[in-house]
Amino acid sequence: QSVLTQPPSASGTPGQRVIISCSGSSSNIGSNTVNWYQQLPGTAPKLLIYSSNQRPSGVPDRFSGSKSGTSASLAISGLQSEDEADYYCAAWDDSLNGVVFGGGTKLTVL
Amino acid sequence: EVQLLESGRGLVQPGGSLRLSCAASGFTFNNYAMSWVRQAPGKGLEWVSAISDSGISTYYADSVKGRFTISRDNSKNTLYLQMNSLRAEDTAIYYCAKGGVVVAALTNWGQGTLVTVSS
Repeated sequence: QSVLTQPPSASGTPGQRVIISCSGSSSNIGSNTVNWYQQLPGTAPKLLIYSSNQRPSGVPDRFSGSKSGTSASLAISGLQSEDEADYYCAAWDDSLNGVVFGGGTKLTVL
Repeated sequence: EVQLLESGRGLVQPGGSLRLSCAASGFTFNNYAMSWVRQAPGKGLEWVSAISDSGISTYYADSVKGRFTISRDNSKNTLYLQMNSLRAEDTAIYYCAKGGVVVAALTNWGQGTLVTVSS
């Protein structure tokens, strides 16, 4: 059971906008920034969003992040077939004194 | 270009030990915290451990506390994970990752190394 809660799956058609949620508590998302990772099949994870809403260089602006209270969201607009991947949220947890991940959301592009 | 290259993969019996290494290049290694993250077959990501840039501060997941030890040699640009008292549930791909603005923002990842714990 993961400390951060994500829906196990999400789907959309090309061009659509999809939102993936991540729910936590006051000790993690409530007091620290959220980071999002994309993991394509058979590859290492890649940082997609850091500090809740910042994109690393090279990440398309179709990807955006937001945080409110103890929840965060990753939005993907203009969905493309190459976005089909697993997405994970992560944050520092002050109570556990470590990083916690969500269980991951498998995104399917229909 | 940032490169992280893990080594030390292998098959080990339950109760055994293994040391993973991660050779870093392309950035000033002693300026960044580093982490180990693992992924069991078909499962999600699990953070294992982190170490500060100087090596003074270390952090562990409860699942490995007391069994695993993270360390670094800044003169060799290398990160280590000493794993003792290994269990079947430690079987996973182990990734080395470079920290960013915060420990949880892992900006670069290695390709991963497979550790299998089985008799």
